[in-house]
Amino acid sequence: NAGVTQTPKFRILKIGQSMTLQCTQDMNHNYMYWYRQDPGMGLKLIYYSVGAGITDKGEVPNGYNVSRSTTEDFPLRLELAAPSQTSVYFCASSYSIRGGTNTEAFFGQGTRLTVV
Amino acid sequence: GESVGLHLPTLSVQEGDNSIINCAYSNSASDYFIWYKQESGKGPQFIIDIRSNMDKRQGQRVTVLLNKTVKHLSLQIAATQPGDSAVYFCAEPSRNAGNMLTFGGGTRLMVKP
Repeated sequence: NAGVTQTPKFRILKIGQSMTLQCTQDMNHNYMYWYRQDPGMGLKLIYYSVGAGITDKGEVPNGYNVSRSTTEDFPLRLELAAPSQTSVYFCASSYSIRGGTNTEAFFGQGTRLTVV
Repeated sequence: GESVGLHLPTLSVQEGDNSIINCAYSNSASDYFIWYKQESGKGPQFIIDIRSNMDKRQGQRVTVLLNKTVKHLSLQIAATQPGDSAVYFCAEPSRNAGNMLTFGGGTRLMVKP
């Protein structure tokens, strides 16, 4: 199992450009998440998905969009990049049953994005 | 101490000493907690978890203690080593938000040789 795979690892964008951060997992997890982490700070949830076809906003969704057409993939889209979106982005997945058993989340290695 | 909420930014310990990282939570219905370790430039990695039907759980050199009365958990690292230097997060699924993981602010552990 590869676990959670994110691409690219690094990217520099100009203000106003768009890009998609890719995330895929091969653990058949139902939950997937996108977090951003600013330097020296904790993780803030951008969007999450509890299964294919279902997405929900997290704490900081503005400026981002997601889709979950398959169990494996959860891409994050930036439409009009802004300097405030300079951050490290982490994708994660877990298995969870609402009202039931949860498992730990597995994280990708991150995408370091700089908007100039 | 840290909370899924507040955080203690840095903890500095001598190599070989024991480390204790704290985390407070506010939801008395929380029933599952996870500790993660994040090394510089890497994604968070699972260390240990604990369910609310337990007070203590031990792993290799790590122990998590859960005190449901005061809604507090701690991560204890025995004989701290330079390789333990990292940021440590506690996390819990948020029952009122689809079980999404909520992370505390993190504690940076620095091990002095």
